[in-house]
Amino acid sequence: AQTVTQSQPEMSVQEAETVTLSCTYDTSENNYYLFWYKQPPSRQMILVIRQEAYKQQNATENRFSVNFQKAAKSFSLKISDSQLGDTAMYFCAFMNPLLNTGNQFYFGTGTSLTVIP
Amino acid sequence: DAGITQSPRHKVTETGTPVTLRCHQTENHRYMYWYRQDPGHGLRLIHYSYGVKDTDKGEVSDGYSVSRSKTEDFLLTLESATSSQTSVYFCAISVTLETGHTFGSGTRLTVV
Repeated sequence: AQTVTQSQPEMSVQEAETVTLSCTYDTSENNYYLFWYKQPPSRQMILVIRQEAYKQQNATENRFSVNFQKAAKSFSLKISDSQLGDTAMYFCAFMNPLLNTGNQFYFGTGTSLTVIP
Repeated sequence: DAGITQSPRHKVTETGTPVTLRCHQTENHRYMYWYRQDPGHGLRLIHYSYGVKDTDKGEVSDGYSVSRSKTEDFLLTLESATSSQTSVYFCAISVTLETGHTFGSGTRLTVV
């Protein structure tokens, strides 16, 4: 089975500062997708950003960017100019469409981020 | 937005009773999934479906069954609920590989 590890159960950051959430994964495949999801207290799962493994360029979405290190199997999320609304649980996820017929996702255990006013 | 709804949103049930959770989508997407979310475990796949009457087991399928008789509906059944099945259950669909999963709003199930 594929594994996804988030080694930081909880983190905090001052409003307007930058924070980086870590994620590592284990796979022998070469083609796959990586995602970061945000889960605010409302419980809704919201896609933040995604990265295709075959693309060398790191994905960015406004204040959110990733540092994708394929050889190291690392996929960290950087949040710039942190806002109070960024307070949430963040999940890293891995998907390899070739492993099975279902495009299954494998999730990390999550990092709870608190933005401090 | 892909329309995906889960029902009920909350449920309390007694140990040993059967429980069915429903996931409904409005976009005719092929892939549908059931996950459970527990503290310290993230989201774990229970079952998934890749078409009508085509389903397969995920990582934590013991004690659960699923059915998909129509493209739009994916049902998760706990045949005889146990306290270890107290959890938040999420349904998801895959629109495309590029967009990843779209999730429902979740069902909080408490087994007493």
